[in-house]
Amino acid sequence: DAGITQSPRHKVTETGTPVTLRCHQTENHRYMYWYRQDPGHGLRLIHYSYGVKDTDKGEVSDGYSVSRSKTEDFLLTLESATSSQTSVYFCAISAGDRGGNTIYFGEGSWLTVV
Amino acid sequence: DQQVKQNSPSLSVQEGRISILNCDYTNSMFDYFLWYKKYPAEGPTFLISISSIKDKNEDGRFTVFLNKSAKHLSLHIVPSQPGDSAVYFCAASDGNKLVFGAGTILRVKS
Repeated sequence: DAGITQSPRHKVTETGTPVTLRCHQTENHRYMYWYRQDPGHGLRLIHYSYGVKDTDKGEVSDGYSVSRSKTEDFLLTLESATSSQTSVYFCAISAGDRGGNTIYFGEGSWLTVV
Repeated sequence: DQQVKQNSPSLSVQEGRISILNCDYTNSMFDYFLWYKKYPAEGPTFLISISSIKDKNEDGRFTVFLNKSAKHLSLHIVPSQPGDSAVYFCAASDGNKLVFGAGTILRVKS
């Protein structure tokens, strides 16, 4: 158990509405990540954080923003949800100080945009 | 451009036989490689890893091989068990983050 909690676990929302997913960790890890999983694409990095208020974009960051005001929380916001953002979202933390170490995933948040 | 590729979307193996999952990468700066396993409706779980200074790492039934000159890694599962049926992702590290392949669905038939 990596001490990661994602909320909500399941959400259905309408196109054009804002949505925020929350990732909470209990072990004070520096690096946190948001990935999305889609068939045929595997796990693609949306954004990541390497400290409080320190974030960077991943390969599929368009339409998403993140915030990290506390070590333990990493928020992913869809500014105006679109159907292409229907996906499973996984939060992850990196063990150790180096971001490219083994990462551990949360249980996922299933988002459907209708 | 995909930096990590798993060219086989699926693999079917008989119980007790060897499963070999393959992965290719393009970025020579990757220095750490991992395999993850994922069951439906769960998050991916770490399986095994290998540093670029090694060419083999073994953990029980799981062995990962790295061929740096070919930019290729593979995961061997021996013997395969029905509980190994899952999606397997390979991943490569650039020091800040992991880049994942698209995954291979492994089915182990009993």
